[in-house]
Amino acid sequence: DQQVKQNSPSLSVQEGRISILNCDYTNSMFDYFLWYKKYPAEGPTFLISISSIKDKNEDGRFTVFLNKSAKHLSLHIVPSQPGDSAVYFCAASTGNQFYFGTGTSLTVIP
Amino acid sequence: GAGVSQSPSNKVTEKGKDVELRCDPISGHTALYWYRQSLGQGLEFLIYFQGNSAPDKSGLPSDRFSAERTGGSVSTLTIQRTQQEDSAVYLCASSHQGVGTGELFFGEGSRLTVL
Repeated sequence: DQQVKQNSPSLSVQEGRISILNCDYTNSMFDYFLWYKKYPAEGPTFLISISSIKDKNEDGRFTVFLNKSAKHLSLHIVPSQPGDSAVYFCAASTGNQFYFGTGTSLTVIP
Repeated sequence: GAGVSQSPSNKVTEKGKDVELRCDPISGHTALYWYRQSLGQGLEFLIYFQGNSAPDKSGLPSDRFSAERTGGSVSTLTIQRTQQEDSAVYLCASSHQGVGTGELFFGEGSRLTVL
């Protein structure tokens, strides 16, 4: 059973536009949410996170939104840049367990 | 070291053989995780080590899989009698606390191909 779901396997966006990556989860006990970015042949790298007590966290071009009632998480990248092209994994944690989604491959078109 | 180091980066083996994958976490990180990513799948949790506590082995898919962490640092994931469905990228991650508030730092992974 997949507790964290990313229903869009891929997304293409024009450079300069906004990229919105979505994530849904099922476990209401999750208390921390993270986004990781992965380039080919590299391990995932941490991008941004949000605690369950917040609904928004912003870091430069990256903003994560959390809607606990809908059990929905999203990552906004604006403006999108070609270097943002990568696979993005959503993750949720409770205690010492981290659960990852299947990833969304983002392509930013120059 | 500066980051999480994994070896080998690529391993091709024949069905039925045993393999060992190694992870050297970031110095000082007490928590160490093993995940695997099969083709088209997300990151599947395998096992978690935290300090000297008993490891959380709840994600290991079968008794062919085992892992140990010697001296609270380097970890070895062993897969016995490998099967084709074991083919995946095995990722190791370490964390300073591993209690859900710290980010995970991943290695580049070990790509295992079982023929």
